[in-house]
Amino acid sequence: GNSVTQMEGPVTLSEEAFLTINCTYTATGYPSLFWYVQYPGEGLQLLLKATKADDKGSNKGFEATYRKETTSFHLEKGSVQVSDSAVYFCALMDSSYKLIFGSGTRLLVRP
Amino acid sequence: NAGVTQTPKFQVLKTGQSMTLQCAQDMNHEYMSWYRQDPGMGLRLIHYSVGAGITDQGEVPNGYNVSRSTTEDFPLRLLSAAPSQTSVYFCASSPLGGQGAGNEQFFGPGTRLTVL
Repeated sequence: GNSVTQMEGPVTLSEEAFLTINCTYTATGYPSLFWYVQYPGEGLQLLLKATKADDKGSNKGFEATYRKETTSFHLEKGSVQVSDSAVYFCALMDSSYKLIFGSGTRLLVRP
Repeated sequence: NAGVTQTPKFQVLKTGQSMTLQCAQDMNHEYMSWYRQDPGMGLRLIHYSVGAGITDQGEVPNGYNVSRSTTEDFPLRLLSAAPSQTSVYFCASSPLGGQGAGNEQFFGPGTRLTVL
């Protein structure tokens, strides 16, 4: 079945450091790919998405590119801020409308 | 718009009790779903619905029932609560038009359930 694997956390960075959170997926067909973010005590919010191969999703300085050849959707940001501290989830949805999440990666940014 | 609302925010049950977690959305979304979030396991899909009168099972449906009598509401029922159902439950909705499976899902604030 479909699955998403993302790097274990926590990831601890200093402010202005470069961020990469790895995400790979297994799916039949051509799923849509998402990154969601969860701030403490809140529900999930969409951060960015890509719906077909080679699409790049971007938002708030974050970006990720849908790589079908490597089945990956890695999240990157050039300069993180303390306010980026949260849990980040990679997810996929296929044509059956089942949204499958990775286990989440906690990011902690220190001043 | 209130978006996706969930009640209650917190609930403590004893083993064997039943309860219903409520979820409502005012965005006229066809798709609604329930997830549970457990430490280290991300969110797992329990049940979902693509429209009124239509429901289907997700990854972890055992112990949970759902129904979808209206577009707005998608309640989740626990018939006989077990400690393994201690979790945080999230409801979400999205439209099915446009990009379909590529549409954003909008999440409620969650219900934290403890089963003793």
